[in-house]
Order: sequence, then C-alpha cells, then structure tokens
Amino acid sequence: DGGITQSPKYLFRKEGQNVTLSCEQNLNHDAMYWYRQDPGQGLRLIYYSQIVNDFQKGDIAEGYSVSREKKESFPLTVTSAQKNPTAFYLCASSITQGEQETQYFGPGTRLLVL
Amino acid sequence: LAKTTQPISMDSYEGQEVNITCSHNNIATNDYITWYQQFPSQGPRFIIQGYKTKVTNEVASLFIPADRKSSTLSLPRVSLSDTAVYYCLVGGSRDDKIIFGKGTRLHILP
Repeated sequence: DGGITQSPKYLFRKEGQNVTLSCEQNLNHDAMYWYRQDPGQGLRLIYYSQIVNDFQKGDIAEGYSVSREKKESFPLTVTSAQKNPTAFYLCASSITQGEQETQYFGPGTRLLVL
Repeated sequence: LAKTTQPISMDSYEGQEVNITCSHNNIATNDYITWYQQFPSQGPRFIIQGYKTKVTNEVASLFIPADRKSSTLSLPRVSLSDTAVYYCLVGGSRDDKIIFGKGTRLHILP
C-alpha cells in the first residue's frame, strides 16, 4: 500500500527542546517538501528537496533543519530557535510528468508547545 | 510565480452544484492549474488538474477559458462531506514551486 506517512500524529515540545518530525514515502518520488499550516491559514513552505543529499530553504526556514540521506525519508527538526512552533506540519512528495508537478500529502503532525 | 485569487468562503446546500472560480491573471505558458481539497487536520488531497478547456474526473470538473486567466472548479451535487477548504494552484513546472494560498472554505448546509 503506497503512500506518505508522518509520525507522530501529535507531538509535544518543551521550551528549549529540539524535536524531529518523521516523513517517509514509498512512492519512489524524487522531491519532498515540508509545510507549516497555522489555524485558518494556507500552507507555507519550510524546506524542500528535489533529490537525495540536496535541499533548499523555503519561505520560512528559520528555526528548522532537514536532512535527505535517503530517497524515501525527509525528517524535519524543529529547533529551539523556532520561537512559535505550534502548528500543523505537512509533508509532501511529488511526481513530475512532462512539465507538470503534482504533490501528494501525508496526514500531518500537530506540534504543541508545553 | 503566478498568484491566484479565490473567494475566502462559500456556502451551498446539499444536492446543489458548486462552482468555485479562481483568478490567475499572470499565468505562464507552461503552467498547469491544479485544485486540492483539505479537510480539517488532514493533508490536502489532489482533486483535478488541467491546462486548457475542460477536464472531468469522477470527483469534479475543471473549466478553463481560452485566455487561461481564470478557472472554475465544479462540484456536482455536493453533500455534507464536501465541506472543506479548496485550494487553486498555478505553476508546479520544473522550474517553479507550488504555492498554496488561503483557499476557499466551502460550507455545505443540509
């Protein structure tokens, strides 16, 4: 059963703590993305990776870090430098056919600060 | 990057056809138009994608006029379960990033 999985579904962070959100896909997609969504808002791009061992900052990368050591995995670390981390985090992977890219999303992780 | 404009919210009733229009005046020649649906606390789900004229699948239809400066997502005979946020996106070609706006919050009433 192919798809994108994110874990955990809920995550709690204490002040000054780094936490890592998992994203795995078995769709054999090259590109992967991390978005942040705040209540009532659209999605904002944090980081993206077009290929293994390469990634680029999105619009709101400050306070976050990523790695892409394997094609199927793209973990996101929310560092203590991110002062307002409470949000819904969405991971996506994409396939490009011809000139057009289509993204497929995971179920999301909701991060809460204690 | 092509910017899109769509209504913030819409209400409709069960059994009605719902049309959500999206404006994208600076769409580029290579850009496709894609619509996603998002339920609360879930990731967006791909609905439909098109380049010109009309595209239809089992879920929706997408109408794109000749100038491609707008598009209309049509949902036939909506039900309560169609209550969601619908995003119109333009772009996503190899040299472009997909940009999500705030979407249209569709509320279906009984």
